[in-house]
Amino acid sequence: GENVEQHPSTLSVQEGDSAVIKCTYSDSASNYFPWYKQELGKGSQLIIDIRSNVGEKKDQRIAVTLNKTAKHFSLHITETQPEDSAVYFCAASPNSGNTGKLIFGQGTTLQVKP
Amino acid sequence: ETGVTQSPTHLIKTRGQQVTLRCSSQSGHNTVSWYQQALGQGPQFIFQYYREEENGRGNFPPRFSGLQFPNYSSELNVNALELDDSALYLCASSPGTAPGANVLTFGAGSRLTVL
Repeated sequence: GENVEQHPSTLSVQEGDSAVIKCTYSDSASNYFPWYKQELGKGSQLIIDIRSNVGEKKDQRIAVTLNKTAKHFSLHITETQPEDSAVYFCAASPNSGNTGKLIFGQGTTLQVKP
Repeated sequence: ETGVTQSPTHLIKTRGQQVTLRCSSQSGHNTVSWYQQALGQGPQFIFQYYREEENGRGNFPPRFSGLQFPNYSSELNVNALELDDSALYLCASSPGTAPGANVLTFGAGSRLTVL
């Protein structure tokens, strides 16, 4: 069935360093790949997304790359700051017509040490 | 523009009881989806509602049911609660129309504990 694998499960970096989180997906029909940041007590916030017709997208310190052939996509955060500390989830949207259905990875807890 | 609001934020139930969780969608959004997030896991799709009808369901038993109202708000009902139902329940709304049809806005969730 549809599956998204996310690695690593935990990531600790020094402030100012870069952080990379990787995801692989199983459904080759997936066409939309969002990344969400989840903090305690807050709604999961969409931080960046990419569609299957694009290989890379950047928004200030955050970038996402997509390799459709290998079925994997990655989140890159540069110049990390303590406020980037949170749980990050990748997701893939299967092309099933259910527009609200996302398949999520298991999450990565990012800790940015000052 | 208001976001997605969910209530209650926390609740405790015992096995066998029933629970109703509520969600108000973001202004302008007509599609609501519900997710279950167990501790340390990613959210899992329960079902989606569009135009007051269920439009897609994940791998959850029939004791998980829902409603959507004319104002696009929604309820999630869970009957015969089991211990494994303890989780964070997330509601997400989306515009329902391309190109942003699957861009979800999540609420903060309802934390359910079943004892």
